[in-house]
Amino acid sequence: ETGVTQTPRHLVMGMTNKKSLKCEQHLGHNAMYWYKQSAKKPLELMFVYNFKEQTENNSVPSRFSPECPNSSHLFLHLHTLQPEDSALYLCASSQVSNPYEQYFGPGTRLTVT
Amino acid sequence: AQKITQTQPGMFVQEKEAVTLDCTYDTSDQSYGLFWYKQPSSGEMIFLIYQGSYDEQNATEGRYSLNFQKARKSANLVISASQLGDSAMYFCAMREALMEYGNKLVFGAGTILRVKS
Repeated sequence: ETGVTQTPRHLVMGMTNKKSLKCEQHLGHNAMYWYKQSAKKPLELMFVYNFKEQTENNSVPSRFSPECPNSSHLFLHLHTLQPEDSALYLCASSQVSNPYEQYFGPGTRLTVT
Repeated sequence: AQKITQTQPGMFVQEKEAVTLDCTYDTSDQSYGLFWYKQPSSGEMIFLIYQGSYDEQNATEGRYSLNFQKARKSANLVISASQLGDSAMYFCAMREALMEYGNKLVFGAGTILRVKS
C-alpha cells in the first residue's frame, strides 16, 4: 500500500449503530487529520493529531470520537449519529516540518439512515 | 478569520484549450500558503500545486500553473491544454501561518470543471 488509505470506502449505518472509520498513512508523516465534506459546505477540518496527540478539535460533537494509536493510524469512532452527519470523511497526513503539502486518502462515504 | 472564495460554481472548457479557475483569499497573516486540489468523482483529493506567500515566482507543475497576485489576494489556477481527464471538482485552500503541529487548511467551496471533446 502506498500513500493514505481509508477503510471502508462506503458505510451505511443506522442512528443507533456504532462503527469506526480507519485511516492509515504509509508516507512516514507525523501529523494526521480528519475532514468532513458535506454536500453543501466546504471541506471542514474536524481533528488534527500530531505525534499521536490531539492538537485541534474544531467543536466537533462528541458522537465523533477520534483515536490515534500511533503516527501511522487514525480512527474515527462513530456512535448515535444523525442523518445530517452523512458526508464524505477524508483523512489526510503531512510532515509537521513540511508546510508545503498535505496528502489525502480516498475518503469514506458515510450514509446515516 | 481566514476565508477562501471560489466564485465559479461550474466551468466548461473545450479539450486542448486553457482554462483559469478563480480563487481569492482573505487573511491578515504575512506568512501563508495556497494549495490547489483536484477531486475526481471517486472522491480522493489530489494535490496539484502549492504557492507560498513569500515565493516571488508563480508556481508551476506540468500543465498546472498558479497565477499569484498578492496585492489582489488572488491565486488562480491555470490548466493548459485541457484533457478529458481534467473533468473534476477543483478546490483552492489556504494554510494559516505555520503551526508547530502541522498544516491547518481552509478550503473554498470548489469549482466543477467539465472538459468537452
